[in-house]
Amino acid sequence: GIQVEQSPPDLILQEGANSTLRCNFSDSVNNLQWFHQNPWGQLINLFYIPSGTKQNGRLSATTVATERYSLLYISSSQTTDSGVYFCAVGDNYGQNFVFGPGTRLSVLP
Amino acid sequence: GAGVSQSPRYKVAKRGQDVALRCDPISGHVSLFWYQQALGQGPEFLTYFQNEAQLDKSGLPSDRFFAERPEGSVSTLKIQRTQQEDSAVYLCASSPGFSEQYFGPGTRLTVT
Repeated sequence: GIQVEQSPPDLILQEGANSTLRCNFSDSVNNLQWFHQNPWGQLINLFYIPSGTKQNGRLSATTVATERYSLLYISSSQTTDSGVYFCAVGDNYGQNFVFGPGTRLSVLP
Repeated sequence: GAGVSQSPRYKVAKRGQDVALRCDPISGHVSLFWYQQALGQGPEFLTYFQNEAQLDKSGLPSDRFFAERPEGSVSTLKIQRTQQEDSAVYLCASSPGFSEQYFGPGTRLTVT
């Protein structure tokens, strides 16, 4: 099945800093989502982005499907951005998502 | 409208007990998914429904796990004879089709 890698595994930032999270996948995909899992365990949708670029406030994402990677950019980070960021992809054979291992982000005041 | 809801939010079961976890998807969503998330890991796929049809159950870890969605709306994940390794968060997601998935808050199952 499809393999998903995320980097870095852990990231510590000072409030106000910018960061880039990366997701690599091993096969072509028809779905890709970025999620933020907050400290209470809720998975919050950030972007549905199987290809192209999207922006939402301080967050933006780019997926280059032909090169099998996606990037999540966080600018002017805030303490409330802390948590685990997951990339999840769906391949062309099934409907379920395969999740990466996540990037754990800690934003310090 | 309301998001995906799950109940109970927390469940403690003694080893060997049966449990039933409920998922109420977003109204009108035809696709429903169950995932299992172990501590410190990403969610892992268990099973998928399109309306009332269970189209993929390849992720169910054993025949003790059973899921149903009889009327194409609410779904129940049942675990028989719970074991300690079943302790995890069980997440339900729904989707309007073959696209973006929306997750519920999860049920944290602890087997003692």
